[in-house]
Amino acid sequence: DIVMTQSPESLAVSLGERATISCKSSQSILYSSNNKNYLAWYQHKPGQPPKLLIHWASTRASGVPDRFSGSGSGTDFTLTIDSLQAEDVAVYYCHQYDNTPYTFGQGTKLEIK
Amino acid sequence: EVQLVQSGAEVRKPGESLRISCKASGYTFTDYWIGWVRQRPGQGLEWVGIVYPGDSDSRYGPSFQGHVTVSVDKSISTAYLQWSSLRASDTAIYYCARHEGDGYSLDNWGQGTLVTVSS
Repeated sequence: DIVMTQSPESLAVSLGERATISCKSSQSILYSSNNKNYLAWYQHKPGQPPKLLIHWASTRASGVPDRFSGSGSGTDFTLTIDSLQAEDVAVYYCHQYDNTPYTFGQGTKLEIK
Repeated sequence: EVQLVQSGAEVRKPGESLRISCKASGYTFTDYWIGWVRQRPGQGLEWVGIVYPGDSDSRYGPSFQGHVTVSVDKSISTAYLQWSSLRASDTAIYYCARHEGDGYSLDNWGQGTLVTVSS
């Protein structure tokens, strides 16, 4: 099974500043035939279902503000939130959908400093 | 508009059986995989399993294989997650979600069903 490891476990960032979350997979999730990374990022707020932010490692989902961006390839990925807003307080998860069983990272809790 | 509406909260005793549901609308149900995700109290997201409504093909996470069953009823566009013998450790919120494309990211989510297992 592919293990997804996120860091840090928690993060406190000032309003208007940048937040960066890392996700590493135990094996490559880059599919060579189409050059796509099978990785997504979700935002999860208390009392709500998770929300898809980024798929294919770097493609924003519909309606997601452009302050959210994803990067990386192979085994190393990053979620960046520019100009942090109060409504961005949440837990963020990476998720690989390259091979079943699909797996999630353990989550990163983002708070305001 | 794609919608996934889950059944309400349930309370059961250890050893009892349970089936929770996820009714889909706004798209062709048989064209997309449906996944189930668990969140135990204070914990992260765990992938439970996945089912393809077109042919009922299913896969499970290793912690769930043999303990839960995912299924569908195409006639009413509804997916199910069921247990034949619940454990206290099954206490969690369970989300259903649609996988985009051919089993890719989870692009639309149900509201979640809280399952409480307690004697």
